[in-house]
Amino acid sequence: AQTVTQSQPEMSVQEAETVTLSCTYDTSESDYYLFWYKQPPSRQMILVIRQEAYKQQNATENRFSVNFQKAAKSFSLKISDSQLGDAAMYFCAYPNSNSGYALNFGKGTSLLVTP
Amino acid sequence: DTGVSQNPRHKITKRGQNVTFRCDPISEHNRLYWYRQTLGQGPEFLTYFQNEAQLEKSRLLSDRFSAERPKGSFSTLEIQRTEQGDSAMYLCASSPGQGAWETQYFGPGTRLLVL
Repeated sequence: AQTVTQSQPEMSVQEAETVTLSCTYDTSESDYYLFWYKQPPSRQMILVIRQEAYKQQNATENRFSVNFQKAAKSFSLKISDSQLGDAAMYFCAYPNSNSGYALNFGKGTSLLVTP
Repeated sequence: DTGVSQNPRHKITKRGQNVTFRCDPISEHNRLYWYRQTLGQGPEFLTYFQNEAQLEKSRLLSDRFSAERPKGSFSTLEIQRTEQGDSAMYLCASSPGQGAWETQYFGPGTRLLVL
């Protein structure tokens, strides 16, 4: 079974600081992608960043970067220079190739950004 | 490109009534997914379509649920004889459907409350 685990239900960070959200997953596949999605309060889910498993280099999108450790099946999200607008639920997701690549989501981490 | 749209955004109904939700995917996206998200949880996969064909249904999709995607464009999700346990956010997502591991784009969701 492909499972996704986010062990931090809530995290807090001060503006301009850096925070890391954790995610681990389980799979027997060798080629796959991983995703981080952001869901602001009462707003729709949007993609933050995606990582290709066969790429050694960690993905980066502006202030967002990942630390992908394939052997450890770990996929953490680092947010640098945190902004108030980063406050949201963050979901780690793994596509299930047996279900048309439907996403298996973790339970999410609620990020609070304080001034 | 106007993104994925869902209607209605909110629905309140009484137990036992039938409800229908609509999803309009991004134009020319061949894959369409339905997810259900309960409070404090990550979205859970319900079903997906490749064009007009419904190719996978999760065990969460009981006999009271039915989904269609006529002509491979918009999709509808109907819940018959609603129960209080059906109260949730119903999310729709689409992807191009041209290959594997594609990014899914989510709609704003339909929040259902069953009284």
